[in-house]
Amino acid sequence: EPEVTQTPSHQVTQMGQEVILRCVPISNHLYFYWYRQILGQKVEFLVSFYNNEISEKSEIFDDQFSVERPDGSNFTLKIRSTKLEDSAMYFCASSDGTSGILITDTQYFGPGTRLTVL
Amino acid sequence: QKEVEQNSGPLSVPEGAIASLNCTYSDRVSQSFFWYRQYSGKSPELIMSIYSNGDKEDGRFTAQLNKASQYVSLLIRDSQPSDSATYLCAVGGWGAGNMLTFGGGTRLMVKP
Repeated sequence: EPEVTQTPSHQVTQMGQEVILRCVPISNHLYFYWYRQILGQKVEFLVSFYNNEISEKSEIFDDQFSVERPDGSNFTLKIRSTKLEDSAMYFCASSDGTSGILITDTQYFGPGTRLTVL
Repeated sequence: QKEVEQNSGPLSVPEGAIASLNCTYSDRVSQSFFWYRQYSGKSPELIMSIYSNGDKEDGRFTAQLNKASQYVSLLIRDSQPSDSATYLCAVGGWGAGNMLTFGGGTRLMVKP
């Protein structure tokens, strides 16, 4: 069964450093998402991406964050200058875009990248 | 701002019993509702989706939706120890790529 994959599974970085988290969405899916979950807290939406541009983003997704689809398979999240409070699990998700205009697609999540900022 | 509320639990049930998990949401125009299961340290795993008022059954799981009361629930029949996890309610809006808003999850413990 197709699945979303993410690399690395765990990333440790120093505060102020740039990190890139990588995702390979399910191959025929059209929408891609990033969510994060700080330890013990809710899963929070960051950004969605469709047709090579951001379709929706949350207040969390400020100028420190960017997303890119550098080729036909990868989808990346870049954090330019990491802060201690960026430490969290980052989940990539994808959906096939077939649900239409009335309802939201089912989103399938990858295994996550645990980001630790020291 | 959309809010999705769940009792954090833990909800403890004996093996073989029915577990009932509840979720309320604030945005009346929400159209899409999802239940995910999350084991500790793992990613959310889809259990089922529901879009229309009433019940939807899938194996041991039944989702119930009442849009007038802004309430969605998940029943797990014949609960197994392997069902012990955190259950996340997620709410979407209009459109295929709409974001999901998650509740904080209910921790379920099924005791052998």
